[in-house]
Amino acid sequence: GNSVTQMEGPVTLSEEAFLTINCTYTATGYPSLFWYVQYPGEGLQLLLKATKADDKGSNKGFEATYRKETTSFHLEKGSVQVSDSAVYFCALEPMDSSYKLIFGSGTRLLVRP
Amino acid sequence: NAGVTQTPKFQVLKTGQSMTLQCAQDMNHNSMYWYRQDPGMGLRLIYYSASEGTTDKGEVPNGYNVSRLNKREFSLRLESAAPSQTSVYFCASIGGYEQYFGPGTRLTVT
Repeated sequence: GNSVTQMEGPVTLSEEAFLTINCTYTATGYPSLFWYVQYPGEGLQLLLKATKADDKGSNKGFEATYRKETTSFHLEKGSVQVSDSAVYFCALEPMDSSYKLIFGSGTRLLVRP
Repeated sequence: NAGVTQTPKFQVLKTGQSMTLQCAQDMNHNSMYWYRQDPGMGLRLIYYSASEGTTDKGEVPNGYNVSRLNKREFSLRLESAAPSQTSVYFCASIGGYEQYFGPGTRLTVT
């Protein structure tokens, strides 16, 4: 079946450090891949997406590349800020699905000044 | 333009009580969704509505019913609440290729 696996958190970094949050997936064919961010007390917001292999999604300094060969979609940022502290969710939409997303369990990021 | 709104924000129920969670969107989207979020499990789809007048089960529909009242509103009903339904509930709608989420309802069943 379809599934998403994310690294467990929390991930604690100092401001300006490099961030990587790992995400791997299991799905048939070519799903679309997403990263969502959830700030405390709020709903999820789309951070970036990629719809085909080798696509790179980017937004607000975050990037993720759709790697079909390793079934991965790792989230990266070169220099994190305190305001990036949030929970990050990797998600996929299967090829045969009508926008029904499958989410990973989420990774909490804490950035210290 | 308020996006996706949900009421109430918080609710405490006793086992066996019923309640309805309300969701509305003002973006003229056709598709709407209900998810639940539990610690360490991400979001799981309860029900969705691809268009006005249609609803379908998601991954975890047992114990819930939904109504797509019109294009704007999509409600989730718990007929007889159980402690296992303690969770945070999110409504979402989709436009273009993006799902827009409401702020959530935190429900506790004692």
